[in-house]
Amino acid sequence: AQKVTQAQTEISVVEKEDVTLDCVYETRDTTYYLFWYKQPPSGELVFLIRRNSFDEQNEISGRYSWNFQKSTSSFNFTITASQVVDSAVYFCALSRTTSGTYKYIFGTGTRLKVLA
Amino acid sequence: SAVISQKPSRDICQRGTSLTIQCQVDSQVTMMFWYRQQPGQSLTLIATANQGSEATYESGFVIDKFPISRPNLTFSTLTVSNMSPEDSSIYLCSVGRAAQETQYFGPGTRLLVL
Repeated sequence: AQKVTQAQTEISVVEKEDVTLDCVYETRDTTYYLFWYKQPPSGELVFLIRRNSFDEQNEISGRYSWNFQKSTSSFNFTITASQVVDSAVYFCALSRTTSGTYKYIFGTGTRLKVLA
Repeated sequence: SAVISQKPSRDICQRGTSLTIQCQVDSQVTMMFWYRQQPGQSLTLIATANQGSEATYESGFVIDKFPISRPNLTFSTLTVSNMSPEDSSIYLCSVGRAAQETQYFGPGTRLLVL
């Protein structure tokens, strides 16, 4: 079965704290792609990062970093020194090819609240 | 990346009526997708729309309820037919080229059915 689990439904932190959002996936595919999106209160989905299954290098972009571990099927997202503007729902997604097309499987999302 | 617009951005409709949502992309794209996001929930794929062929619907979604058109590589419409309050959701279109590439999403259409 193809599945993405975001066990943390909601997280609240105080501004400047670090926070990690967990994402665990299940797939039988040997080649697959993982994504993180941010959905602020405005509703639009904002792309954050893409990672393919054969590249396990961690990535850092400013205050954001991602830890991809195939051994544990996890693709976790850390925000360092969180800010109020980071408050949003964050979705992890798995992309897979099926029957000549492809589609995303989304996790249920983690709502992050950063308090001033 | 792609710039995607949707019309309308929001609407309030009466039950039993239908609403057509438009999705316009600023470049030609192979695949367009329609998602539904019910309040407080994740995104659920309704269908994949490829130009020149019928849309492919996911389990639980049928063409009679959600007819889709894809007349060219930059435009698609989704109609929500015979609406009920359970159809109140955000409807999003997205575009993509392949599994390894990023899908980009439109701003969404917020639908409230009374």
